[in-house]
Amino acid sequence: GAGVSQSPSNKVTEKGKDVELRCDPISGHTALYWYRQSLGQGLEFLIYFQGNSAPDKSGLPSDRFSAERTGGSVSTLTIQRTQQEDSAVYLCASSGGPEQYFGPGTRLTVT
Amino acid sequence: GENVEQHPSTLSVQEGDSAVIKCTYSDSASNYFPWYKQELGKRPQLIIDIRSNVGEKKDQRIAVTLNKTAKHFSLHITETQPEDSAVYFCAASKQAGTALIFGKGTTLSVSS
Repeated sequence: GAGVSQSPSNKVTEKGKDVELRCDPISGHTALYWYRQSLGQGLEFLIYFQGNSAPDKSGLPSDRFSAERTGGSVSTLTIQRTQQEDSAVYLCASSGGPEQYFGPGTRLTVT
Repeated sequence: GENVEQHPSTLSVQEGDSAVIKCTYSDSASNYFPWYKQELGKRPQLIIDIRSNVGEKKDQRIAVTLNKTAKHFSLHITETQPEDSAVYFCAASKQAGTALIFGKGTTLSVSS
């Protein structure tokens, strides 16, 4: 079946612009996660949605970052007023049990 | 919050040798510990996981051990093959299916 998909695959933006990253989870998965992977670094947790519960936003690095999940399915991660340190691969994952299935990621480059 | 340390950052072995990667965690409430493999340019994939009520779990050439008292867990790969070459990440969470806190990864290179 279809896995987790993300769009766009690559995004180049100028410093100060806003960007939106999209994640389509596996159908039926109630949990959705956003992580960030900088070059040579591990995966940094950003935010986690579980069903209709309030999201766990404890990993968001600043108030420029926000995310929403509409209808318990698609999620959008928004970064406002992008900075060069926001450059990274943004990975989305979904799960219906213990295993998290990752998407291919969006490579964000802030120039 | 939880902090996961992973060592070594790079590991080179000869084909057929064993490889061991170690992780420590800080939050005693963590009880789910997965390991992910990420090949170059690809997404991370789960290879094995262990929960706190088990001390060891094995799946063919891969095994994971957990010491809750010392708050550390390890990945063991036996009879390594070139296709095992990848970045391996350990992670911890309070409950399976919740947010994972990852280590910084170990780049394993297996030479033939």
